[in-house]
Amino acid sequence: EVQLVESGGGLVQPGGSLRLSCAASGFIFSSFWMSWIRQAPGKGLEWVANIKQDGSEKYYVDSVKGRFTISRDNPKNSLYLQMNSLRGEDTAVYYCVRGLNWFDPWGQGTLVTVSS
Amino acid sequence: IVLTQSPATLSSSPGERATLSCRASQSVSNYLAWYQQKPGQAPRLLIYDASNRATGIPARFSGSGSGTDFTLTISSLEPEDFAVYYCQQRSNWPPITFGQGTRLEIK
Repeated sequence: EVQLVESGGGLVQPGGSLRLSCAASGFIFSSFWMSWIRQAPGKGLEWVANIKQDGSEKYYVDSVKGRFTISRDNPKNSLYLQMNSLRGEDTAVYYCVRGLNWFDPWGQGTLVTVSS
Repeated sequence: IVLTQSPATLSSSPGERATLSCRASQSVSNYLAWYQQKPGQAPRLLIYDASNRATGIPARFSGSGSGTDFTLTISSLEPEDFAVYYCQQRSNWPPITFGQGTRLEIK
């Protein structure tokens, strides 16, 4: 079964940092683009970042450029999102997803709350 | 590219046909996908490349369109179909963008 399991969310103060992890299983992780997508409470979906199979290309939405870093460890079948200088507007459920053209499957999400 | 979904809310009854629209601010060719999200759950892929059903998706779901105008049709609504639906494009990226969603509610 293809599965993505996120971890690392929590409550953090504005200006703080957090690292999200995603454990992948059931497919050849190194063969796929991977992405992070977030959803603020009661709002729609926003693509955050993605990374090519070998990690050689990374792309970000403008609002997180310079603050977030996406990375992957193919031997460990893991995807990461390092989030620095966090702001209130970064509060959201963060989903780990497989794919580039479309996203399937989705993890269950991990909640990040930025508040003092 | 901005994706605009309409209507924002659609009220329908089980057994009825539902038609959801997604319009792109410029052509996305057929690089369009549709997702369903139920409360408290992660989104689920329904349709990719505008008209291809994802694995395990019932045949009552169909997608059509190309360029700037796309439609998701549910031929006969089942009780479990009432949810929020999003379209998504990756034709001209970054960024990859989503529509704002259409809420399909029971009349």
